[in-house]
Amino acid sequence: DAGVTQSPTHLIKTRGQQVTLRCSPKSGHDTVSWYQQALGQGPQFIFQYYEEEERQRGNFPDRFSGHQFPNYSSELNVNALLLGDSALYLCASSPVWGQGESPLHFGNGTRLTVT
Amino acid sequence: AQKITQTQPGMFVQEKEAVTLDCTYDTSDQSYGLFWYKQPSSGEMIFLIYQGSYDEQNATEGRYSLNFQKARKSANLVISASQLGDSAMYFCAMIFTGTASKLTFGTGTRLQVTL
Repeated sequence: DAGVTQSPTHLIKTRGQQVTLRCSPKSGHDTVSWYQQALGQGPQFIFQYYEEEERQRGNFPDRFSGHQFPNYSSELNVNALLLGDSALYLCASSPVWGQGESPLHFGNGTRLTVT
Repeated sequence: AQKITQTQPGMFVQEKEAVTLDCTYDTSDQSYGLFWYKQPSSGEMIFLIYQGSYDEQNATEGRYSLNFQKARKSANLVISASQLGDSAMYFCAMIFTGTASKLTFGTGTRLQVTL
């Protein structure tokens, strides 16, 4: 049973460019969340998708956008990259919308470096 | 504002000994959940243990137990019989009423298990 998979594992971009990160949730999971983890910090919630719609959003600018597909996979897009966007981006999935005690299952993350 | 505090940036423990990782939280909510995650150098966040705010007994999962003191707003993780493979970052996280699967993380504690 495959867990949460993310691609690519590493990415180097230049300031001002755009990037797309991809995530496939764990089998049986229909909710996907994205987190940004800066070096030495805990993950910060970006947004969450369920039934192909953004359901919750953290304190991130509109440069961060996302999408969920009918097969529950998801993309995170970041436009006009800044040096401060350099971080580990984690995708997490969970089985049921609204059940807070269901533990999130995380992928290994995508390490984004902006130069 | 809701906040998670982990005051130990780094901890050392000898193999086979027990260790306690501290976590305190600040919230006015009565209904919330507490999680502990382990993050090895690979980057994946691994779920360890969950405690609901209304659970009367402390949660246990194998070598992991959660020392939940609601009045003191603390949720410390106890790892018994430490193993070399326990060396990793450990994050305390909370989920609050109405936020579904949105987790708020602390800054983490780096645990190093020594021979």
